[in-house]
Amino acid sequence: GESVGLHLPTLSVQEGDNSIINCAYSNSASDYFIWYKQESGKGPQFIIDIRSNMDKRQGQRVTVLLNKTVKHLSLQIAATQPGDSAVYFCAALTSYGKLTFGQGTILTVHP
Amino acid sequence: GAGVSQSPRYKVAKRGQDVALRCDPISGHVSLFWYQQALGQGPEFLTYFQNEAQLDKSGLPSDRFFAERPEGSVSTLKIQRTQQEDSAVYLCASSPLKGQKYEQYFGPGTRLTVT
Repeated sequence: GESVGLHLPTLSVQEGDNSIINCAYSNSASDYFIWYKQESGKGPQFIIDIRSNMDKRQGQRVTVLLNKTVKHLSLQIAATQPGDSAVYFCAALTSYGKLTFGQGTILTVHP
Repeated sequence: GAGVSQSPRYKVAKRGQDVALRCDPISGHVSLFWYQQALGQGPEFLTYFQNEAQLDKSGLPSDRFFAERPEGSVSTLKIQRTQQEDSAVYLCASSPLKGQKYEQYFGPGTRLTVT
């Protein structure tokens, strides 16, 4: 089955720096990946997604990169702000919409 | 109030008690998912509904877990004879389309603590 994991459990950055959060997946069958942000006491919030036929997708201050050769995803956040502090999960979408989540990375942004 | 809502937000149960967790999805959303999130972990899939039909319950950890969505809207997750290992946040998510890779909207979750 699909499993999704993260390289680093915590990441601390200074406000204004760029952040990079990494994720590895094991099953190449999934054709859709999503990054979620989860703040304390809240449910996961959609950030950005990418289909497996793409290498890169950009949103507002965020970019997702997909390397299918090594089964690796990354989320880049530009000009990180204190409001970006949260836990970030990557997830693989399978079949009808079932999500398989990774462990999560805690991002802390220092003013 | 257009988001997914869940109640109660917090529930403390003594081991052996039954609990019922409610999810109100976004109006009109066809798909509804339940996930279990242990402390420090990512959410794990429990079950999926398309309207009132429960199409996948492969993630339910035991027969003590039961979910329903009788009218294709509100859903209830019931846990019988709760155990300490059931302590977790239970998340509900809804999605507007069926059979589509479409964004899921999550509720805030119910934090269940079994003592």
